Amino acid sequence: DAKTTQPTSMDCAEGRAANLPCNHSTISGNEYVYWYRQIHSQGPQYIIHGLKNNETNEMASLIITEDRKSSTLILPHATLRDTAVYYCIVSGSYNTDKLIFGTGTRLQVFP
Amino acid sequence: EPEVTQTPSHQVTQMGQEVILRCVPISNHLYFYWYRQILGQKVEFLVSFYNNEISEKSEIFDDQFSVERPDGSNFTLKIRSTKLEDSAMYFCASSEEAGGPYNEQFFGPGTRLTVL
Repeated sequence: DAKTTQPTSMDCAEGRAANLPCNHSTISGNEYVYWYRQIHSQGPQYIIHGLKNNETNEMASLIITEDRKSSTLILPHATLRDTAVYYCIVSGSYNTDKLIFGTGTRLQVFP
Repeated sequence: EPEVTQTPSHQVTQMGQEVILRCVPISNHLYFYWYRQILGQKVEFLVSFYNNEISEKSEIFDDQFSVERPDGSNFTLKIRSTKLEDSAMYFCASSEEAGGPYNEQFFGPGTRLTVL
């Protein structure tokens, strides 16, 4: 079973920041937080990952709390094309590489 | 930009028939995966494959399923005798490395399997 909890759905106005929360209170010290998204029925797409420091790339920023029990994915300027299901996944020890998807957060970006 | 490709995009088959789903992973990737997603449900891990052998499989991946990398570029998923409940979207994925901080997996567009 997925080790994360996310809201079922969220809305965001185009051009505004979308902040997607994730709770992973049982995360262990060597596990990473990964974010993927799935646009309509396409294959999931990697967004970003982190261990304990905040991370930023061209797609998004990831803020992980100091106790690592929760995180927030930030899409700084959401567009209509960011409408998707966003999955927060806790992954990995080095001896397993499978991704366990939960139900994710359905983000609807509106004009 | 390199991408994972899958063929066919849609496969329709009769119950009890064998199907082979094909994937071409990104060329320098060493780890390969199959996932499936039944309509309206979660994406589920099926199997991971590295160094020409299965490294991990889920309970779903029973004796009816097999994987193969027949020629160094293709990665296939075979279902020997399809059941109605095998109807799903099947995603292939690949990664350069695996585990820990290296779990950036690249997914293909999927094959929609419909079993009648």
